[in-house]
Parts: sequence; C-alpha cells; structure tokens
Amino acid sequence: QQQVKQSPQSLIVQKGGISIINCAYENTAFDYFPWYQQFPGKGPALLIAIRPDVSEKKEGRFTISFNKSAKQFSLHIMDSQPGDSATYFCAARSGNTGKLIFGQGTTLQVKP
Amino acid sequence: GAGVSQSPSNKVTEKGKDVELRCDPISGHTALYWYRQSLGQGLEFLIYFQGNSAPDKSGLPSDRFSAERTGGSVSTLTIQRTQQEDSAVYLCASSSSGTLSTDTQYFGPGTRLTVL
Repeated sequence: QQQVKQSPQSLIVQKGGISIINCAYENTAFDYFPWYQQFPGKGPALLIAIRPDVSEKKEGRFTISFNKSAKQFSLHIMDSQPGDSATYFCAARSGNTGKLIFGQGTTLQVKP
Repeated sequence: GAGVSQSPSNKVTEKGKDVELRCDPISGHTALYWYRQSLGQGLEFLIYFQGNSAPDKSGLPSDRFSAERTGGSVSTLTIQRTQQEDSAVYLCASSSSGTLSTDTQYFGPGTRLTVL
C-alpha cells in the first residue's frame, strides 16, 4: 500500500517534443504529490507538486495532471529541451508522516 | 542561504567496517530526513527527525543502521559492520516544519558509499 509505481523507466524525446511520465499509487491517505528532478551527481530538487483537490497544475513548461479516482498522476514537459535531460521522480506523502514515498525514477534524454 | 550539505561526498570502505555519514541541514529547519538511493533505484526512506519528537525509524533496513541528531541540527547516520549491499548514495534532506504534508524537502548532494 505504500508503493508508488512509475513508468517508463527511460524516455527519449526529440527537442521540442512532449515528455510524459506516469505514476500510480494505492494509499488513499496520500495528500501531497511532488515531482523531483535530479541531475547526475546532485541531490533531487523539487520541480512541481500537487494536492489531490485539483486535477491539474501548471508551472511554465511543466504540468501535473491528477486523476484521483484512478489514483494516477502524470508529469508533462512541454517543448522539451536538452537541458531537461535528467532523472525524474514522482513521490507521495500523507499528512501524518514526514516521509516521502518515491517512484523508481524515469531517466529522460532530450535529443537536440 | 546555504543549502543542505553532506560529508564526505564519497566514502570507500571495507566490508565489516563502520562508517559515519554527516548531514548539515538548512539553518532553522526543524525536520531532517535520510534516504538511500541504490543504483538505478528510487529513493528509499530511512529515518525522519522532527524537532524534539522521537524519530521515525521505520525505514532503517537493519539494526546495523542508526542515526542521531544533535542539538536539533547536525545529523549523523552510522552503519556498523558494513556489507556490500549497503553500497548506495545516502541522501539527507531538511524541511522547515515537517508537520505539513506540503512542506518542501530540500536535498543535499548525497554521500556515495562503496563497500568493497
């Protein structure tokens, strides 16, 4: 019940294309869903996050879509750029615990 | 201000040795977290400190792992009698509160531990 499943494991997109990463969860107690971006040799950094009371959140080229009934959420990167090449992690957290439960990660490569 | 810092950045040790990994959180942050990232895997929660409350140790994989946080600031993760499967990147994060689910966790660069 604590798992967050992420797909795909890796993704190759042409510059200017749309990158889509999907996550699914089981625990309905989760009430916060952040996405983290990690570059090689660095720690993860918060990219964008959503609460389940909204279906979509957009920040620049990054959008989270959230489907509460399906217990799924996804990250869309519009107009993908080579600088977006990194590993992306979805995560989930419930209000009564501090820990984040992470997905397995998606390695994104944006080709010029 | 300064972010979360961790030391050492790399640690190579021999099987059976003890290691200590250090984390300096962002000043003023009351919550501190340790995660482990194995090669090609996601981040695995280890332990969480929140203020003066008893730590949440539910993610520690065995009794060889322990952590402490002194003075509500610096934390040390200790692994006793290291095993090869302990090889991973150990990440520390801190947040301002830890009591809100939306509280952002800021990560350090990690310590890469290699057990030979």
